[in-house]
This record gives sequence, C-alpha cells and structure tokens, in this order.
Amino acid sequence: AAGVIQSPRHLIKEKRETATLKCYPIPRHDTVYWYQQGPGQDPQFLISFYEKMQSDKGSIPDRFSAQQFSDYHSELNMSSLELGDSALYFCASSPWTGRNTGELFFGEGSRLTVL
Amino acid sequence: GESVGLHLPTLSVQEGDNSIINCAYSNSASDYFIWYKQESGKGPQFIIDIRSNMDKRQGQRVTVLLNKTVKHLSLQIAATQPGDSAVYFCAVDTGRRALTFGSGTRLQVQP
Repeated sequence: AAGVIQSPRHLIKEKRETATLKCYPIPRHDTVYWYQQGPGQDPQFLISFYEKMQSDKGSIPDRFSAQQFSDYHSELNMSSLELGDSALYFCASSPWTGRNTGELFFGEGSRLTVL
Repeated sequence: GESVGLHLPTLSVQEGDNSIINCAYSNSASDYFIWYKQESGKGPQFIIDIRSNMDKRQGQRVTVLLNKTVKHLSLQIAATQPGDSAVYFCAVDTGRRALTFGSGTRLQVQP
C-alpha cells in the first residue's frame, strides 16, 4: 500500500541557511500534518492543512512556513536555521473525518542537521 | 491546553511476559486516543485507538484501557516479543485537528 513519502530523508545545513522539506500524502488523503521531533523527545505538532488551507497551527516558529499544493503535497520551508532546529521532521496524512483527527499515517521522516 | 504524560520512561520486560504502558492526560474534553509505536529512525506506527465512549478495545496481542474518571490510558501487550522493542507514545485528540503526543516510553524486551 502507498505510504506517506518524505524528501529528503537527510539534510545537512549551516546556521542561517534555508531548508525545504517535502511531503507527499497517501492518495486521497486531503489533510497533512507536520511534526518536529527532537532527540529523545515526543513529536511536537507544527502545522496542518486541509484542502490546501491551513487548518491548525501548533508550535511552529515564525521562521518556518508551510503550504499545501493543488496535488495535496506539502512543503515545509525553514529559514534562518538555528542549531536547535536539528530534529526529525515528520509529515503525516489522513482523510478528513469530520471533527476528530482520526488515525494519522506518518512518513519515515526527514532528519535535519544544522551545523 | 492538553498535556499528556507517561509514567515511566523505560520499561524492561522478559520475552513472553505481558507489558503495560501507562499514560495520563489532562483535558477531560479529549475524546480520541491512539497508541503509536516508533522504532529507531522511523516514523510512528499506529497500534490501536479508542474513542471516549469505550473503556476497552482489543487488537492482536494489544489491549487499550481508558479510564476517563482519572484521565488515564494504558496499553497492554500480551506475550511481549523482541520485535515489540520500541518507543511507545500515547496521542490524544481534543478536536483541534491535530494529535498531541505524550512523552514516549521505551520498551526493552529481554530475551
């Protein structure tokens, strides 16, 4: 079965540089979520999109932005990178289920290392 | 807001024993709960879920118990196997259109 595809899987950047992560949801899933997971930490919700519109916002820094495109893929743009941005970034997708989130299907993650 | 916590950071069990991982949540409005398993370097994988109108749900070798009175959730794994070794997270949905994850419990299965 098709899963959530994230790219790149690994990314190394210098401080103050910019990075872009991509996420391709499972076909027919119209909702995308971004999570950040630091070393030994639980996943922290950043932002979500439903039908190309932002549906909820979590602890996403102002330096980060994201969007969902017409083909439902999403991109997370991170600027002015800081050492503390080093983390695993997960994308998840789900079909819209009304009020509740329902089960999220996670990708394998993109590991960002900021030097 | 919602905070979710787990009682033990690491749980070590013998192969074949049953494992119980606990989770507490704070928001009584939470109405959907999921347990995820995360292996090293991988994304969280769905194990089992439960809605607030239930207090118990069983899957294959796993059972989730929900006690809304004390806002407590547990995951029971029967006959724990080496392949069960991973970090387990409980996640809670309060209708924000996003899941809030608790701090993970690392399950170590000793052969």
